[in-house]
Amino acid sequence: ENVLTQSPGTLSLSPGERATLSCRASQSVSSTYFAWYQHKPGQAPRLLIYGISSRATGIPDRFSGSGSGTDFTLTISRLEPEDFAVYYCQQYGSPPLTFGGGTKVEIK
Amino acid sequence: EVQLVESGGGFVQPGGSLRLSCAASGFTFSSYVMNWVRQAPGKGLEWISYIDLTSSTIYFADSVKGRFTISRDNAKNSLYLQMNSLRDEDTAVYYCARDHGQTSPYWYFDLWGRGTLVTVSS
Repeated sequence: ENVLTQSPGTLSLSPGERATLSCRASQSVSSTYFAWYQHKPGQAPRLLIYGISSRATGIPDRFSGSGSGTDFTLTISRLEPEDFAVYYCQQYGSPPLTFGGGTKVEIK
Repeated sequence: EVQLVESGGGFVQPGGSLRLSCAASGFTFSSYVMNWVRQAPGKGLEWISYIDLTSSTIYFADSVKGRFTISRDNAKNSLYLQMNSLRDEDTAVYYCARDHGQTSPYWYFDLWGRGTLVTVSS
């Protein structure tokens, strides 16, 4: 299976700062089959990005996705208070679909 | 409100069984393929099962194949996960997740529930 490794494990930043989250796949991801999710404690995970760079419905444009092959990035241009959460990457190009272990974005 | 609500989690001994339910509301449940995803304590997300609109195509992760069964009742807007022969490693929060695809899977999930906790321990 395609193992996804996210880094860093924890990112400590202040509101207004830029967040750059990385996800590396053990095998090249087929086509554009890559997504990102946001998860806050006790809440339902939320789809942010699909197709590497397409924002899901209602996702603000401070969230952007990029990458190809084995290296992918989620960028939050200016952190808002509601953005502090855990973020997961996902590949769906080869079965079974797999998720990364998560990056926690915490308030510094 | 568009939402998914899981229920049925709890404490069970190894070898035991549990049935999870997921109630859908606010959208046409029968038009979406559905999945179950779980998260063990301190771990990432793990996809475990898929079911299509008519229950004719079903997939499982190797980790649960032969022990778990997925089903749906479109008349009741509900998704189910029957879990048998439970193991310690099945301890996790279980989420139902709606696939973005309506007639066929896109394999990314645009609506999730808050999850239900299953604890397997002696």
